[in-house]
Amino acid sequence: GAVVSQHPSRVICKSGTSVKIECRSLDFQATTMFWYRQFPKQSLMLMATSNEGSKATYEQGVEKDKFLINHASLTLSTLTVTSAHPEDSSFYICSARSPWLAGGGDEQYFGPGTRLTVT
Amino acid sequence: DQQVKQNSPSLSVQEGRISILNCDYTNSMFDYFLWYKKYPAEGPTFLISISSIKDKNEDGRFTVFLNKSAKHLSLHIVPSQPGDSAVYFCAASGVETSGSRLTFGEGTQLTVNP
Repeated sequence: GAVVSQHPSRVICKSGTSVKIECRSLDFQATTMFWYRQFPKQSLMLMATSNEGSKATYEQGVEKDKFLINHASLTLSTLTVTSAHPEDSSFYICSARSPWLAGGGDEQYFGPGTRLTVT
Repeated sequence: DQQVKQNSPSLSVQEGRISILNCDYTNSMFDYFLWYKKYPAEGPTFLISISSIKDKNEDGRFTVFLNKSAKHLSLHIVPSQPGDSAVYFCAASGVETSGSRLTFGEGTQLTVNP
């Protein structure tokens, strides 16, 4: 149980275009989804937290107009990188949390990640 | 301000021996701690967690110990297996500090040699 998927797993796009990444909780309803970014050999950097049906809360330094997050249902959140630039190239990972899962703690279940390369 | 620190970037152990991964935190409001395992180009996988009301939690080969007075937790893997080779992240959360947000350490690369 607690499976999270991401699509696509890998995407290459040209500078100036937009890219949408989907995050789905497959076997549970996620009240909260999180988006992270990971640079090589670095820890996970939280970008934003989103609750279903409400606006995402962005971390300091993350441009909300550049990284658009939509959490339209309890099983789907999307991250759109708008007007992508080469410096946006990174590994983006989503996670999902549900208070109804066994354990009931703050466990987050992660997707497999999306490798974005902007040329 | 790094509130969760894993001071060892890497650890190498022999197969069959014990692996001990350490993590320190500074925020006394953290009350829930987790360990994740991550392979390259994959998302982290949840391993084990512990609430601050406990000092030990065990799940198969994995045991997490929490020392609240020292603000220190450790993950013991015994016996270690080559498939355990991965990056291990500790994470912490606290309702009073961040709701359900997790604060991650920098990670420790564990290599288990056959």
